[in-house]
Amino acid sequence: QSALTQPASVSGSPGQSITISCTGTSNDVGGYNYVSWYQQHPGKAPKLMIYDVSKRPSGVSNRFSGSKSGNTASLTISGLQAEDEADYYCSSYTSSSTLVFGGGTKLTVL
Amino acid sequence: QVQLQESGPGLVKPSETLSLTCAVSGYSISSGYYWGWIRQPPGKGLEWIGSFFHSGSTYYNPSLKSRVAISVDTSRNQFSLRLSSVTAADTAVFYCARLPHCDTSSCHGGGLYFDYWGQGTLVIVSS
Repeated sequence: QSALTQPASVSGSPGQSITISCTGTSNDVGGYNYVSWYQQHPGKAPKLMIYDVSKRPSGVSNRFSGSKSGNTASLTISGLQAEDEADYYCSSYTSSSTLVFGGGTKLTVL
Repeated sequence: QVQLQESGPGLVKPSETLSLTCAVSGYSISSGYYWGWIRQPPGKGLEWIGSFFHSGSTYYNPSLKSRVAISVDTSRNQFSLRLSSVTAADTAVFYCARLPHCDTSSCHGGGLYFDYWGQGTLVIVSS
């Protein structure tokens, strides 16, 4: 299975909105509404931010939102804050009942 | 509160077998959910290794399937990872995690995402 495709880096200023894309195929992202997103700060374990494409776990800020169109899922962070600076990974369920991650995106808050 | 804690040797020799254990507290493995392993080479991205359900269903990353085995000890509420014939390319931080599972007709078995993670443990493969 091939990794999902994410941009290597994105950046934005405090208060702005940014969007991170995650592109797969009809066998993963496009075929199921089971895309999740994770935030990882340096030296820390990943944290679940979005599941089932657009659902937020309890305690996650509503500044984080997810969506999907065709084979591409997106994570949008609005009202960017310094603490949002981190690596972000998408993941999808696949037609083989396996899971695949994206390569990760480094978010820089300018 | 669900908590997971990885443990095992931090250094493994090439060609040997890497063995790690994940101790779970705050939830019984036998009560449900999938449980799994993920790894992250230094400075690189996340890679799913495999997941299992206590009743026996197990799924592995096809790229690692020939070298991986995940087992469970429900009496100790822990599960383990064995990765054989390791090389330097297997050097990584290994995480264990809990996975909500598919329970509708919109999917067909396996875990769907990772809701609780351990803190991770670094394993270096070197002679």
